[in-house]
Amino acid sequence: QVQVVQSGAEVKKPGASVKVSCKASGYTFTNYPMHWVRQAPGQRPEWVGWINTGNGNTQYSQNFQGRVTITRDTSESTAYMELSSLRSEDAAVYYCGRGDYMDVWGKGTTITVSS
Amino acid sequence: EVVLTQSPATLSLSPGERATLSCRASQSVSIYLAWYQQKPGQAPRLLIYDASNRATGIPARFSGSGSGTDFTLTISSLEPEDFAVYYCQQRTNWPPITFGQGTRLEI
Repeated sequence: QVQVVQSGAEVKKPGASVKVSCKASGYTFTNYPMHWVRQAPGQRPEWVGWINTGNGNTQYSQNFQGRVTITRDTSESTAYMELSSLRSEDAAVYYCGRGDYMDVWGKGTTITVSS
Repeated sequence: EVVLTQSPATLSLSPGERATLSCRASQSVSIYLAWYQQKPGQAPRLLIYDASNRATGIPARFSGSGSGTDFTLTISSLEPEDFAVYYCQQRTNWPPITFGQGTRLEI
């Protein structure tokens, strides 16, 4: 079946970087873009960025001021989201979502930022 | 950036009743608006895309309407599993893609 499976929860110190993976299966990975969205407790989802999985083009939210990088490995049908210079306010659940509209979502990866 | 404002913030209804949720955009998003349902501890679930198209597997009691700046999600007869938080999301003037602040549908 169509699904995207994300990597597990991470605990990071302020200033560190984290890289989250999102492995797709059940469909042709390069036929659909992948979005990344994060959600802090009790808050609305916040869009992080997007990758065209076919050609690797990316778009990012300006809210992250160059701290986020989204990549993909087509041989592994996997997208990655790396966030650097972590701050306490980056603590959230990070989701990947397939498609122009996010019709398939991962279960989320909880990022905790704590010294 | 397109700001989406949802109303009401909370909607209290009973099973079997009709629910009407609104989403207003700060500028026209044409029809490029989606609705998602989210339950505690789960990822959002796509219900409606392009304002009025039901996503795969979504029951017919969910319907969407609107264009431009005003949109509505209607649940014709509430089932117990429909009580959740609903978000609208636009993808016309992006980046960034933006979400509304949500409507909590409670029993």
